[in-house]
Amino acid sequence: DAGITQSPRYKITETGRQVTLMCHQTWSHSYMFWYRQDLGHGLRLIYYSAAADITDKGEVPDGYVVSRSKTENFPLTLESATRSQTSVYFCASSDHPGLAANNEQFFGPGTRLTVL
Amino acid sequence: AQSVTQLGSHVSVSEGALVLLRCNYSSSVPPYLFWYVQYPNQGLQLLLKYTSAATLVKGINGFEAEFKKSETSFHLTKPSAHMSDAAEYFCAVTPPGRRALTFGSGTRLQVQP
Repeated sequence: DAGITQSPRYKITETGRQVTLMCHQTWSHSYMFWYRQDLGHGLRLIYYSAAADITDKGEVPDGYVVSRSKTENFPLTLESATRSQTSVYFCASSDHPGLAANNEQFFGPGTRLTVL
Repeated sequence: AQSVTQLGSHVSVSEGALVLLRCNYSSSVPPYLFWYVQYPNQGLQLLLKYTSAATLVKGINGFEAEFKKSETSFHLTKPSAHMSDAAEYFCAVTPPGRRALTFGSGTRLQVQP
């Protein structure tokens, strides 16, 4: 039971480069989410997806692009990385689309991204 | 717009002492409330959740939280701290019908021997 995985776990890149962070879940959960975690800010939602081919912006979407061609994958792309995007990125998924009360989100282990 | 405030970015207690981590929310309607724990270099794990059933919610590892509508609070408690409780704790909220969570800034719990 692999659950939810993220790759890479660590990434160092340079300003201006394109970077893609991968997220894969094995539960066939409908909803998937991308958060970034920064000191003093907790977790902030970047994008989320209610199903394949359905995505929506969260609190801090600028500079990020997502896609969801398959239910199990939800990649996050930084089209032109900036130093302010240095952060820890968490992917999460949840099920029960009709019952928000059961909105437990299951989190991946995170990707630590450094932009030089 | 809803928000979550966690009072105290760092809390230190002695082993065996009471743990109290504070969370207040602002929302026009009672939301669903969650506490998550993050151990070093790991993702977040659900401790407990409030979904408009019982106001006193019991979670894993001996933690519990009480929803108080009059105080717009959802404080997390544990009667006796253990060294293994040292971690970062996040309170989160979502309004009924919504999916995405809004997180507080987190409280780092330190447990002294």
